[in-house]
Amino acid sequence: SAVISQKPSRDICQRGTSLTIQCQVDSQVTMMFWYRQQPGQSLTLIATANQGSEATYESGFVIDKFPISRPNLTFSTLTVSNMSPEDSSIYLCSVDGQPGRNYGYTFGSGTRLTVV
Amino acid sequence: KQEVTQIPAALSVPEGENLVLNCSFTDSAIYNLQWFRQDPGKGLTSLLLIQSSQREQTSGRLNASLDKSSGRSTLYIAASQPGDSATYLCAVFPSSGYALNFGKGTSLLVTP
Repeated sequence: SAVISQKPSRDICQRGTSLTIQCQVDSQVTMMFWYRQQPGQSLTLIATANQGSEATYESGFVIDKFPISRPNLTFSTLTVSNMSPEDSSIYLCSVDGQPGRNYGYTFGSGTRLTVV
Repeated sequence: KQEVTQIPAALSVPEGENLVLNCSFTDSAIYNLQWFRQDPGKGLTSLLLIQSSQREQTSGRLNASLDKSSGRSTLYIAASQPGDSATYLCAVFPSSGYALNFGKGTSLLVTP
């Protein structure tokens, strides 16, 4: 299965600032997924990023708040913009197993964000 | 919308016990089901993947079963160890769509 390097692993940020999270995959993948895990909650999908096209956002998430880049088939970034304490969460990127669904999903190690 | 429920929310057992974690889902139209482990503040580690056509999967001391028609899966951990302490997440992949639906997890503590 794919190996994902995600960074930073954690950060403490001031409200009103932005943080960009990076995910690098060791193989080419069509779709990359970004999830948020709020404290004590399960994972919620933010958006799906395909190379060469705009990301597809889930209900409740908007591009202005969570812009995503997908410049190639091995890399993606998620930016959390104009942060507030409510954005304090673990953010995770994910890819489906190669080749395809039969191998399940792989996740990055997560970014633990605290906004003060 | 697929709802995934995990019971219990938290579990504490002494070392050596066998234990069962439960996962239920509302829509049986799934492609597969995946169990993950999450250590505090960390990402997810895949434990087992069960395709919709399978009944169970085994890896070491872990055994996961799937009853798709009743919308249930169990994760059986044999001879638990303190290193098994973590949160265990169940996620289903729908037959249509492309993203996993997660339960809230079971927080497991194995005491020496």
